[in-house]
Amino acid sequence: VVVTQSPLSLPVTLGQPASISCRSNQSLLYSDGNTYLNWYQQRPGQSPRRLIYKVSTRDSGVPDRFSGSGSGTDFTLKISRVEAEDVGVYYCMQGTHTPFTFGPGTRVDIK
Amino acid sequence: QVQLVESGGGVAQPGRSLRLSCAASGFTFRSFSMHWVRQSPDKGLEWVAVIWPDGSQKQYGDSVKGRFTISRDNSKNTLYLQMNSLRGDDTAIYYCAKEIQVWGQGTLVTVS
Repeated sequence: VVVTQSPLSLPVTLGQPASISCRSNQSLLYSDGNTYLNWYQQRPGQSPRRLIYKVSTRDSGVPDRFSGSGSGTDFTLKISRVEAEDVGVYYCMQGTHTPFTFGPGTRVDIK
Repeated sequence: QVQLVESGGGVAQPGRSLRLSCAASGFTFRSFSMHWVRQSPDKGLEWVAVIWPDGSQKQYGDSVKGRFTISRDNSKNTLYLQMNSLRGDDTAIYYCAKEIQVWGQGTLVTVS
């Protein structure tokens, strides 16, 4: 399954919203009724950290300014108000079909 | 808290082997599936392999199938990745990850 993201680079103004799109070339709806689409944040010099799983469920400790939505082949990560600590690269990953696959990443930085 | 510490990376010649280890703590290791994921500037993040909690099932990415073997020792809370027939495009940081939720700090493998 090929996963694409857009944009690949996203300059944002502090306090403004940001949105990242993730698309797959096959439906990510699994036979158990779940859709295994995760979002990860990788800050500079750090390992990736999962933010959201199964499209829209935030991991523990993730600020509520992060939200995920979508279904089928089309998904979105939104940051309601960007803060300085949000700078980094964001990846979506599909875990429905093996081999699991990641998107190419979206680099978020501050204008 | 969950901690994953990878080791075993280094420089290897093409065609040679390396074995990575991942020491886990802070959770009930035997209850969770474990993954290896790698990251390189050329290919970005690439999922490598997964092993079921009891080790009964394993799955691999297409580029490593037949060359890499994932295993675990639940008595030692340790995950392994045996990498054989290494190639230049295996050069990457290798992360172990608990259910691709919590990741270790990674270990660098350079094939040259």
